[in-house]
Amino acid sequence: GENVEQHPSTLSVQEGDSAVIKCTYSDSASNYFPWYKQELGKRPQLIIDIRSNVGEKKDQRIAVTLNKTAKHFSLHITETQPEDSAVYFCAASGYSTLTFGKGTMLLVSP
Amino acid sequence: GAGVSQSPSNKVTEKGKDVELRCDPISGHTALYWYRQRLGQGLEFLIYFQGNSAPDKSGLPSDRFSAERTGESVSTLTIQRTQQEDSAVYLCASSFGQGTNTEAFFGQGTRLTVV
Repeated sequence: GENVEQHPSTLSVQEGDSAVIKCTYSDSASNYFPWYKQELGKRPQLIIDIRSNVGEKKDQRIAVTLNKTAKHFSLHITETQPEDSAVYFCAASGYSTLTFGKGTMLLVSP
Repeated sequence: GAGVSQSPSNKVTEKGKDVELRCDPISGHTALYWYRQRLGQGLEFLIYFQGNSAPDKSGLPSDRFSAERTGESVSTLTIQRTQQEDSAVYLCASSFGQGTNTEAFFGQGTRLTVV
């Protein structure tokens, strides 16, 4: 089955800095790569996703890149704000299970 | 409903008892997933339904865990003879379409505490 590795497990940045979270996956058949944000005590919510026919996607301060050859995808957050503090999960899926990474706790200090 | 609904929100049970957790997906969503999230941990896959069939149940941790889905709608996750290590938040998610490559919407979860 699919295996998704996510790094780092924790990331501390100063407000205004950029944050990068990286994931790798094992199943070359995977073609959908969503990122979820989970605030403390809340349910995970989709923030951005990318499909295998696209190399990069941006939405305001958030961008995701995908390298299918290397089976690697990353989340980039620019101009971080304290409200970006949360746990971020990457995931990969093809035509079966949606598999998540173990999460990255992002702490943005004012 | 407007979103994925799970019940109960919280459940405290004695070790050895059976529990049933319910998930009402978004209407029309054919894919449904169950995940387990222990405190401060990631999303551990349990089972995936496409319609009423479960093509992937590889994440169920033991034969004490089972799940079913009826009417391509409601799903129940049953844990028999609960153990303390079963304590966690159980999250349900649903998505539209035949594959799993569309946005999955999560419910608020059921917090299970086994005492």
